Amino acid sequence: TQLLEQSPQFLSIQEGENLTVYCNSSSVFSSLQWYRQEPGEGPVLLVTVVTGGEVKKLKRLTFQFGDARKDSSLHITAAQPGDTGLYLCAGDVRNDMRFGAGTRLTVKP
Amino acid sequence: DSGVTQTPKHLITATGQRVTLRCSPRSGDLSVYWYQQSLDQGLQFLIHYYNGEERAKGNILERFSAQQFPDLHSELNLSSLELGDSALYFCASGGHGYTFGSGTRLTVV
Repeated sequence: TQLLEQSPQFLSIQEGENLTVYCNSSSVFSSLQWYRQEPGEGPVLLVTVVTGGEVKKLKRLTFQFGDARKDSSLHITAAQPGDTGLYLCAGDVRNDMRFGAGTRLTVKP
Repeated sequence: DSGVTQTPKHLITATGQRVTLRCSPRSGDLSVYWYQQSLDQGLQFLIHYYNGEERAKGNILERFSAQQFPDLHSELNLSSLELGDSALYFCASGGHGYTFGSGTRLTVV
């Protein structure tokens, strides 16, 4: 059983559509991070959220940390082919990050 | 270039053999984290070193060991290799936001 459950596991959409991916846990985290990983490369940090209820925006990406600090969501507006990749959430467990299995997003032109 | 250097990029070896993976953290970072990524398991935390001292252990097999040297580079030693050890091995450095290397793809045949 994963500490962090991500859904959906796979998502294939057309360019211009909006989407939301989710990261859920029964554990409380002091912080949660989102990464994007492309094939053959290491994950790249997108954002860190630390306060319950926090919302952060990064261009077309909106990240939300749940009030209870157990879950998070990533919303992408007007997805583009360049958004294609594996999106991973990671929670802070005693100063070590534990990762979910990821959502593999494909955006078709 | 993320600043975290991993060598080698690819490694093919036979079952029962021993290999060493190397990681140099980003300049100024004292922490090194090792992760294993396979298709069915996602990113699994192996071990964390901070300034030469082991800080935390995750799902690391007894056949695996690691160390961090005075110059802060780290090595992950994998012995008695099995087919199931085939995976991508990543190291990361940093504090609350991790910077990952490009990984070592290990194939055990």
